[in-house]
Amino acid sequence: AQKITQTQPGMFVQEKEAVTLDCTYDTSDPSYGLFWYKQPSSGEMIFLIYQGSYDQQNATEGRYSLNFQKARKSANLVISASQLGDSAMYFCAMSDIFGSSNTGKLIFGQGTTLQVKP
Amino acid sequence: EPEVTQTPSHQVTQMGQEVILRCVPISNHLYFYWYRQILGQKVEFLVSFYNNEISEKSEIFDDQFSVERPDGSNFTLKIRSTKLEDSAMYFCASIGLAGAQASTDTQYFGPGTRLTVL
Repeated sequence: AQKITQTQPGMFVQEKEAVTLDCTYDTSDPSYGLFWYKQPSSGEMIFLIYQGSYDQQNATEGRYSLNFQKARKSANLVISASQLGDSAMYFCAMSDIFGSSNTGKLIFGQGTTLQVKP
Repeated sequence: EPEVTQTPSHQVTQMGQEVILRCVPISNHLYFYWYRQILGQKVEFLVSFYNNEISEKSEIFDDQFSVERPDGSNFTLKIRSTKLEDSAMYFCASIGLAGAQASTDTQYFGPGTRLTVL
């Protein structure tokens, strides 16, 4: 069974500094997708970044990058130049591939609360 | 930009009552999902839906739950007899299918419906 682990319940970072949010995963599927979502206090789930298991390069989206280390089964999110608006809960998630028995559902980690200090 | 919409944003109901949560997925998407998030906890998969039938459901999705896509645009989650422990945020999500690269598709989430069972 797939499993996502986020070991940091809460993190603080100073405005304009970079921060890394940890995520490790476990799966027996050869192909999978890894996602990060942001959940601000308003509650919505905002997609940030995606990494495919066969992607050779680490994904980047603006200030977000995903440090993908397949052998270690880790998919850490790096936020550069933190802003006050980055304060939120961050969830790492994994999907299986579409196929005869897989449906692309997302399995989520417990989340990390990030607070950006001015 | 297309988005997933959900109504109502907040639903308060008495224990034992039936509730229907409504979602309008992005129009050209083919896979639909419901997730649940109990306050302060991680997001949990409930059910996936494709080609007018359930493709996968979790242990949470018992006989009290049902889903349907009555008119080709709405996607509903019905809880037949609500319990106190059903109080949670319920998210709808959808994916467009991109052929063999389906696993790269991002699930876009609606804003959620907060269900409070009294």
